[in-house]
Amino acid sequence: DSGVTQTPKHLITATGQRVTLRCSPRSGDLSVYWYQQSLDQGLQFLIQYYNGEERAKGNILERFSAQQFPDLHSELNLSSLELGDSALYFCASSPRPLEEAFFGQGTRLTVV
Amino acid sequence: GIQVEQSPPDLILQEGANSTLRCNFSDSVNNLQWFHQNPWGQLINLFYIPSGTKQNGRLSATTVATERYSLLYISSSQTTDSGVYFCAVGTSGTYKYIFGTGTRLKVLA
Repeated sequence: DSGVTQTPKHLITATGQRVTLRCSPRSGDLSVYWYQQSLDQGLQFLIQYYNGEERAKGNILERFSAQQFPDLHSELNLSSLELGDSALYFCASSPRPLEEAFFGQGTRLTVV
Repeated sequence: GIQVEQSPPDLILQEGANSTLRCNFSDSVNNLQWFHQNPWGQLINLFYIPSGTKQNGRLSATTVATERYSLLYISSSQTTDSGVYFCAVGTSGTYKYIFGTGTRLKVLA
């Protein structure tokens, strides 16, 4: 157990819908990262927060948004879902940016 | 941006064999991690190794930051070592880890 908790573990939804993925970082970690892994692909960086502030943005679609709350948990919102958004979404946390990061078990999103 | 290439892309071993996985990166890095993604999709931390050499049981890793590469050694491989191995690098001021292309390892009994 990495100490990073992601919910839900699995999510099946229809095209056009909106979903929210939740991440609770390890105790004491201030930095949260989100990654997307499509089938048999590598991990693509989406966005990073440090102590509530966005610090880095990757190839995140405009339909996607995220935030980190005062209690340091983070949410990734995906809207107007398309079939191609089906993927494994990972959250990771580290004490500060680019210190050792630990990953949650991921949320497997299937868009039908 | 920085490019991270891993080799070989695929590797099949008999149980008990040794292997070396390589991670090359195109620019200076401040941090580097190795992960194992098991067949269930979990990403497991292996090493946090910005430079130098570390060992953990049958696994060891070496990063030569000045020459822009890192190596992961797996000795006496077991079927449970199967999965995909990723390196991820971080550069100062970017606030993100960039993942390599991965090495898919299959260990046969």
